[in-house]
Amino acid sequence: ETGVTQSPTHLIKTRGQQVTLRCSSQSGHNTVSWYQQALGQGPQFIFQYYREEENGRGNFPPRFSGLQFPNYSSELNVNALELDDSALYLCASSPSLGRDTGELFFGEGSRLTVL
Amino acid sequence: AQSVTQLGSHVSVSEGALVLLRCNYSSSVPPYLFWYVQYPNQGLQLLLKYTTGATLVKGINGFEAEFKKSETSFHLTKPSAHMSDAAEYFCAVTGGGSNYKLTFGKGTLLTVNP
Repeated sequence: ETGVTQSPTHLIKTRGQQVTLRCSSQSGHNTVSWYQQALGQGPQFIFQYYREEENGRGNFPPRFSGLQFPNYSSELNVNALELDDSALYLCASSPSLGRDTGELFFGEGSRLTVL
Repeated sequence: AQSVTQLGSHVSVSEGALVLLRCNYSSSVPPYLFWYVQYPNQGLQLLLKYTTGATLVKGINGFEAEFKKSETSFHLTKPSAHMSDAAEYFCAVTGGGSNYKLTFGKGTLLTVNP
């Protein structure tokens, strides 16, 4: 069983640029969530995708956007990068929407540095 | 709305000593509670979870936690620390509604001294 994989693992961008982060969900999982983890902080919910549609969004501006594909893989796009966007971006998949699934399966993250 | 407070950003114990990591939560709906562990340069791994039923929950690597509704707490314990337990630990609570949003605390860094 393949776990959640994310790419790239590390990247450096400059302020104002755009970035795309990619995530392959665990086999059999149809729901993908993205979290931002700033240095020394807990992860913060960005948004969730279920069957290719956004299903819930955290307190992030519209320049954070995403996609989910028919194979349930996902992308996170961030436009007009700001210095505060520097963080570890975590993708997590789960087998369904509901709370009673009980667990999110996390990838190892993509570490973004904005200079 | 949900929130989590983890008391102590850094806990240091000796190998073989009791580990106690504190977590208090706030939730407008019956909570589902989780502890995750994060090793350096890695993602998060689930240690244990409380959904319904028995309030004492056992997880992996000898950890357990007890849900206490009256105290709005979900503290994580392990009777005897091992060097390999050194990591960052996050407590989390679910949101309400149909989307599976986890609200995390800020984390507690556990160091284990020989």
